[in-house]
Amino acid sequence: NAGVTQTPKFQVLKTGQSMTLQCAQDMNHEYMSWYRQDPGMGLRLIHYSVGAGITDQGEVPNGYNVSRSTTEDFPLRLLSAAPSQTSVYFCASSYSRGNTGELFFGEGSRLTVL
Amino acid sequence: AQSVTQLDSHVSVSEGTPVLLRCNYSSSYSPSLFWYVQHPNKGLQLLLKYTSAATLVKGINGFEAEFKKSETSFHLTKPSAHMSDAAEYFCVVSDLGGGADGLTFGKGTHLIIQP
Repeated sequence: NAGVTQTPKFQVLKTGQSMTLQCAQDMNHEYMSWYRQDPGMGLRLIHYSVGAGITDQGEVPNGYNVSRSTTEDFPLRLLSAAPSQTSVYFCASSYSRGNTGELFFGEGSRLTVL
Repeated sequence: AQSVTQLDSHVSVSEGTPVLLRCNYSSSYSPSLFWYVQHPNKGLQLLLKYTSAATLVKGINGFEAEFKKSETSFHLTKPSAHMSDAAEYFCVVSDLGGGADGLTFGKGTHLIIQP
């Protein structure tokens, strides 16, 4: 089982560049989300989606866009990269939102913005 | 509003000795509680979850946690640590008053296993 697949695993960008982090899941989960992980901060929610065509903002959405055209894919776009966006990004999926649903995580995408 | 506090940022134990990772939470509703583990350069993996059934929850790899409503705690324990347990551990609370997706993550506890 592939589970949640993130690409690329590593990326270095210059300030002002744009890029897309890809996330795909093969478990037919309705719920998908993006987090960023910074030292001592835990995980912070960027954006999430409860189904195809539906997205919403999380705790730290500024500078990021998402779309959900299919159940399987949930790409995260950095519009104009800034050094403050240097982080490890995790995509997660679940069969249901929040309360009782187990989250399945990808292995992360490590982004450095110079 | 809900919150979760992991009381130790780092815990160091010797191999073969017990592990205790502490988590306190606050919630206005009946929460669900989770422990996740993150090994180096990997994503998070669910260890165990409490969803209003038995208060003592058993998870994978010999871990267990006890939900204590009176103490608002959900501490993670293991009787005997193994070198492979070295990782980052996250306590997560989920209820209707949580973040945008209903989840609030603790800041993590780094578990170090001494040989």
